[in-house]
Amino acid sequence: DVKVTQSSRYLVKRTGEKVFLECVQDMDHENMFWYRQDPGLGLRLIYFSYDVKMKEKGDIPEGYSVSREKKERFSLILESASTNQTSMYLCASHPGARNLYGYTFGSGTRLTVV
Amino acid sequence: EDKVVQSPLSLVVHEGDTVTLNCSYEVTNFRSLLWYKQEKKAPTFLFMLTSSGIEKKSGRLSSILDKKELFSILNITATQTGDSAIYLCAGRDTYGNKLVFGAGTILRVKS
Repeated sequence: DVKVTQSSRYLVKRTGEKVFLECVQDMDHENMFWYRQDPGLGLRLIYFSYDVKMKEKGDIPEGYSVSREKKERFSLILESASTNQTSMYLCASHPGARNLYGYTFGSGTRLTVV
Repeated sequence: EDKVVQSPLSLVVHEGDTVTLNCSYEVTNFRSLLWYKQEKKAPTFLFMLTSSGIEKKSGRLSSILDKKELFSILNITATQTGDSAIYLCAGRDTYGNKLVFGAGTILRVKS
């Protein structure tokens, strides 16, 4: 069964801390994505990557960065966590343009910044 | 800017009712529309719609796309408490694999 694994289900961090959210997929997918999900706002794209070492900004990249050193791993970094980054973070992967179907999502990381 | 709007934002029904969830979209170079169901964890894929007027069905769920009017509906008949979830609609363009999501519809089915 294909899998997208996010390393933590719940995290509590202090304001100003540097936070790493890890996502690993075992499907050899080209594309990986980070979204945040907030009530009433749906899923908003933070960053995505079409290939190793490639990254592109999504709709709300401010305050975040990403790293994709290996195909299977896509990390989201909060350089200096703030309370407005308290949210559910979802990672997803997709095989690539030839595949018509949607994403496979991880189970999410609920981050609380205090 | 691409956007997807879902309505209603939330809905409470009784078991056995039929519900219709709406999704309108504005996606440049639109390719397909996807529906997901999200319970407590990861969203799970329900349908992908590419062509107008062709209904997709899976058990009690069905969905259809209208590319002229730029909307889709998701129908659930004979609802059960297990249908309680957030239903997400997303549009995809031709050139990339980004999905633009709506805010979701929170469905609660009461027994």
